[in-house]
Amino acid sequence: EVQLVESGGGLVQPGGSLRLSCVASGLTFSSYAMSWVRQAPGKGLECVSVISTRGAGTFYADSVDGRCTISRDDSRNTLYLQMNSLRGEDTATYYCAKGQGDYGKYYMDVWGKGTTVTVSS
Amino acid sequence: IVLTQSPGTLSLSPGERATLSCRASQSVSSNYLAWYQQKPGQAPRLLIYGAFSRATGIPDRFSGSGSGTDFTLTISRLEPEDFVVYYCQQYDSPALTFGGGTKVEIK
Repeated sequence: EVQLVESGGGLVQPGGSLRLSCVASGLTFSSYAMSWVRQAPGKGLECVSVISTRGAGTFYADSVDGRCTISRDDSRNTLYLQMNSLRGEDTATYYCAKGQGDYGKYYMDVWGKGTTVTVSS
Repeated sequence: IVLTQSPGTLSLSPGERATLSCRASQSVSSNYLAWYQQKPGQAPRLLIYGAFSRATGIPDRFSGSGSGTDFTLTISRLEPEDFVVYYCQQYDSPALTFGGGTKVEIK
């Protein structure tokens, strides 16, 4: 069974930083694109960032571009999201999701349970 | 690509048919359109990909259709566990986007 387990969320002050992690099991991690999708309280879904296999390509939503860096360590089956200069509007549950499909055209077929980020003073 | 889902809320009774719409601001090529279900407090679950292909383990009462800019998720006979929120997502462009969601509630 494929499992994705996120960690690293928490309470952080505006302007602060966090690094989210997602450990994958039950799959050949290096073979799949991975993504971070967030959901603000009571709101819809927003794809924050995507990384292709081997990190060959990355995508960032305009809302986080320049403040976030997605990366992966295939030897550790782990996906990361480094978030800097955090703002109140970054408050959300962050889901790690496995990408499926053609290069650069991914839907998400497996999701983690999410980790909560709260940005507040 | 902006996705607009309608209606925002759909009020129906168990056993009824639900028709959810997802309209794209520009054509979605090769039917790169997916549907997800999200229950309260849970992560989204993939229902449909490629506009009409059911994901593994999804009951056949869920079906997807459409092409170009207009897509539909149909639930043929609503079960009690189907009264939750549904999102469409396009993956034609690298800027993956989701619709705003449709909540299916018990009438």
